[in-house]
Amino acid sequence: SQKIEQNSEALNIQEGKTATLTCNYTNYSPAYLQWYRQDPGRGPVFLLLIRENEKEKRKERLKVTFDTTLKQSLFHITASQPADSATYLCALGREAAGNKLTFGGGTRVLVKP
Amino acid sequence: DAGVIQSPRHEVTEMGQEVTLRCKPISGHDYLFWYRQTMMRGLELLIYFNNNVPIDDSGMPEDRFSAKMPNASFSTLKIQPSEPRDSAVYFCASSLRINYGYTFGSGTRLTVV
Repeated sequence: SQKIEQNSEALNIQEGKTATLTCNYTNYSPAYLQWYRQDPGRGPVFLLLIRENEKEKRKERLKVTFDTTLKQSLFHITASQPADSATYLCALGREAAGNKLTFGGGTRVLVKP
Repeated sequence: DAGVIQSPRHEVTEMGQEVTLRCKPISGHDYLFWYRQTMMRGLELLIYFNNNVPIDDSGMPEDRFSAKMPNASFSTLKIQPSEPRDSAVYFCASSLRINYGYTFGSGTRLTVV
């Protein structure tokens, strides 16, 4: 069955450092992958989308890579700030599956000043 | 735009009662999704619509759940009769096109006692 794995353990990181999150998947051939941020009591907020033919995408201090051979995406937050503390979710989608996304369980990030 | 609007924010109901959750998507978005989030199972897709037509309801747990989208600006998710295991946060999301990021509402926290 399809499986999307994100590290369930919280990532504690010092302000100014780079946070790196992993999203691994099995039994899945996604056409694209998305990353979301979720704060407590709020809905997820879309951050970035990367397609299967793209290796890397950047947005401000965020960088996403997508390796379809390793079946893995890495999400980097550079120069992290306490305001980056949140849960980050990856989600995979395929055109053949319509536009529906399957989400991973998320990784909580805590940036300490 | 005010974003995706969900109501109510919180709902506490007794087992066996009918519950109706409401969603107003972003104007012009062609896709509407209903998700459920719990600690154990994460974000699960229940059903999604394209241009007001239900496309995939394979995630709806059982016949007690039903969803409608009578027009482009309104959708409901109904649970009848409700059970304690339905307790979760229910999110509505909308998307402009296929392969676009989703905009989530703030969710409805449902507690069935």
